[in-house]
Amino acid sequence: QIQLVQSGPELKKPGESVKISCKASGYTFTDYAMHWVKQAPGKGLKWMGWINTYTGKPTYADDFKGRFVFSLEASASTANLQISNLKNEDTATYFCARDALSGVMDAWGQGASVTVSS
Amino acid sequence: IQMTQSPSLLSASVGDRVTLSCKAGQNINNYLAWYQQKLGEAPKLLIYNANSLQTGIPSRFSGSGSGTDYTLTISSLQPEDVATYFCQQYNSWYTFGAGTKLELK
Repeated sequence: QIQLVQSGPELKKPGESVKISCKASGYTFTDYAMHWVKQAPGKGLKWMGWINTYTGKPTYADDFKGRFVFSLEASASTANLQISNLKNEDTATYFCARDALSGVMDAWGQGASVTVSS
Repeated sequence: IQMTQSPSLLSASVGDRVTLSCKAGQNINNYLAWYQQKLGEAPKLLIYNANSLQTGIPSRFSGSGSGTDYTLTISSLQPEDVATYFCQQYNSWYTFGAGTKLELK
């Protein structure tokens, strides 16, 4: 069955960097784009952008341009999210989600918690 | 495109027919999905294209609407339906509503 398994929780200090992974299984990785979605504690969902898993081309939402990088390890069916120069407001759970149909997200990772605190 | 969900909190009893609303800031041409998120879990796709039921989702869930106004209906509320429900438009980029938290009365 389709599964997206994300890396574990992270505790970081302001200014540090973090890399979150999302390993896909149960389907051909390069056939479906991957989205990244942020959920701050107690808040709603915010779309961060997506990556074309065939070409590797990333697209970022306006609020996530600059410190955020999407990348792939296609041979390992893995998508990654790297956040640099972490700020307190980056504290959130980050989800990867498979794109089934031009923006419909039909499978989600379990979420990766990032806490930024001095 | 801004997505506005109402109400933000809804209390209902088991067996009730429940209706959740989602209004888009402009016509989104039925490019509307609904997700269910239970506490501590990832969101789950329920409905796409405004009224298409995702495989494996119980038939008590249904979606309707057009233009700017959309509705998710649960025909007979079950205890396992307690969750927060988000709408999402994918007509122009992707935005989510703030969610409706559904609890048991």
